[in-house]
Amino acid sequence: DAKTTQPNSMESNEEEPVHLPCNHSTISGTDYIHWYRQLPSQGPEYVIHGLTSNVNNRMASLAIAEDRKSSTLILHRATLRDAAVYYCILRPPPATSGSRLTFGEGTQLTVNP
Amino acid sequence: KAGVTQTPRYLIKTRGQQVTLSCSPISGHRSVSWYQQTPGQGLQFLFEYFSETQRNKGNFPGRFSGRQFSNSRSEMNVSTLELGDSALYLCASSLSLRGTDTQYFGPGTRLTVL
Repeated sequence: DAKTTQPNSMESNEEEPVHLPCNHSTISGTDYIHWYRQLPSQGPEYVIHGLTSNVNNRMASLAIAEDRKSSTLILHRATLRDAAVYYCILRPPPATSGSRLTFGEGTQLTVNP
Repeated sequence: KAGVTQTPRYLIKTRGQQVTLSCSPISGHRSVSWYQQTPGQGLQFLFEYFSETQRNKGNFPGRFSGRQFSNSRSEMNVSTLELGDSALYLCASSLSLRGTDTQYFGPGTRLTVL
């Protein structure tokens, strides 16, 4: 599977926007970019995904570079509840990997009150 | 709609024993995957099942096995437990195997091997 690179940790203040970067220079044309997060003592939770265009949902926005070699997860107003490990994951087509998710080390987001 | 449930939530075993963990997916979901999470190795894929068939397997020894039943419920078994098997075991379900399908994770089973 193609590899992703994320900063180990980031800090933010409550109610401020947070931009979490992810580099994936070896992404293939059919890989989807998924973001999951894991709150303390919980299983991972889906955040957002996209292929080529920027995406928005109630939780976050995903900005994808034109060459798709990087992406940024944007939390518009961080809350204390957003403190978690955020994982950027590339998902190849099911024919090659099924529903498997390959997790990296992720970014530990700390939100300060 | 009920989420993914895993039983038991906590388990303590001794080396050499075997253990069976259970996962009930979200109603209507046919794909179930299992992951192991440890502080040293992070989240690692164990295997996935779809329509009672194992579709994909991670790089784990044969002591780790699983199965899926006709109602999509899944079990994983670890035989001859080792200290290094102490981990959080997570189950995830999804509708199918499509790359766009969201994986929904359960709370996990915390296994401690003494």
